[in-house]
Amino acid sequence: AQKITQTQPGMFVQEKEAVTLDCTYDTSDQSYGLFWYKQPSSGEMIFLIYQGSYDEQNATEGRYSLNFQKARKSANLVISASQLGDSAMYFCAMREVNTNAGKSTFGDGTTLTVKP
Amino acid sequence: NAGVTQTPKFRVLKTGQSMTLLCAQDMNHEYMYWYRQDPGMGLRLIHYSVGEGTTAKGEVPDGYNVSRLKKQNFLLGLESAAPSQTSVYFCASSFRDSEKLFFGSGTQLSVL
Repeated sequence: AQKITQTQPGMFVQEKEAVTLDCTYDTSDQSYGLFWYKQPSSGEMIFLIYQGSYDEQNATEGRYSLNFQKARKSANLVISASQLGDSAMYFCAMREVNTNAGKSTFGDGTTLTVKP
Repeated sequence: NAGVTQTPKFRVLKTGQSMTLLCAQDMNHEYMYWYRQDPGMGLRLIHYSVGEGTTAKGEVPDGYNVSRLKKQNFLLGLESAAPSQTSVYFCASSFRDSEKLFFGSGTQLSVL
């Protein structure tokens, strides 16, 4: 069974608007971390934001926030005030600490296009 | 501050040839990983290492071998390249198993 599911292959958003990228995950581990990475067309992988499974508050990093709903096993990325430079592929990933030696599992990604 | 360095950045092989990809990190990280990314897809784990001298198989290990003789280096080998191994390869590292990954810039490999 796929452990990370990103159901939106592609998304469009108008510049300056907010956008939510969906991510659901599956794990039986109690201790895990959820990550979002950005991959622009140049190909590098850029870390955006992290949420630990025991964190009670939703993580925020500048214009990025992670909407963490543990019971629903979802970890959606919210980008506020979209910019043209946000156009990229976005990957949700999970690291299971106790059972999998910290191996990261990635979703298939969502391609975000910001329209001017 | 170099971070994670992968060499080479591009490589073209003929079917049956062998090659080694080198990953070097200067952050004293314990954990190192090799991923492959096929077009339009996420990253899939090939092999990983949780410390010097240790390696383990990931999700798609067939056709690859790895070695971690030194803590800072993690080598990925293809003994007999196949067209199905055409992909972008990423090396990544982290200090602890709960922390974010630091990625290299990737290696574009084409097998003809």
